Amino acid sequence: AQTVTQSQPEMSVQEAETVTLSCTYDTSESDYYLFWYKQPPSRQMILVIRQEAYKQQNATENRFSVNFQKAAKSFSLKISDSQLGDAAMYFCAYGSSNTGKLIFGQGTTLQVKP
Amino acid sequence: GAVVSQHPSRVICKSGTSVKIECRSLDFQATTMFWYRQFPKQSLMLMATSNEGSKATYEQGVEKDKFLINHASLTLSTLTVTSAHPEDSSFYICSARDPSGGPLTGELFFGEGSRLTVL
Repeated sequence: AQTVTQSQPEMSVQEAETVTLSCTYDTSESDYYLFWYKQPPSRQMILVIRQEAYKQQNATENRFSVNFQKAAKSFSLKISDSQLGDAAMYFCAYGSSNTGKLIFGQGTTLQVKP
Repeated sequence: GAVVSQHPSRVICKSGTSVKIECRSLDFQATTMFWYRQFPKQSLMLMATSNEGSKATYEQGVEKDKFLINHASLTLSTLTVTSAHPEDSSFYICSARDPSGGPLTGELFFGEGSRLTVL
């Protein structure tokens, strides 16, 4: 079975600074996808970034980028130029190409200080 | 972008009653929908995979008779919490995959969630 681990329950960053959220996963599958989702207080899940496992190049979406280390099964999220609106709970998720299921990590609550 | 809508957003019921939560894909046909449960400040736990026209596939530890899932059409899946008890109080979230991106890898869209409180 696949597992996703986020070892940082809470993180804090100063506005305009950079923060990195950690995520590791375990799988025996060769084809899969990895995601970072943001959940603000409204509880609506928002896709932040997505990475296909077969791609070596790290995904980037504006201020958000990932460091995907396939051999180490690591998938960290870097948020540059942090903004107050980035404050939320962030979930790392594993998507199985076999089943289509999405398995989530425990989440990291990000606080952005003005 | 694709939208998934859940209804109701909040529901309060008495212990022993049944509650139905609807999940609709508004602008695409979803052959597969997923139901998650989330306790406060915790992760989303996958409960079951809902497949249109067939029985749902439940995750280990999820009571099939307690959480009834029906996926009668390509745009609607329902979760019924039967004989609800206070411990069933939680936030329930559905998600639907837009198959235009691929049957297994198309983007997953999430509903707004439904907060169930059982008194």
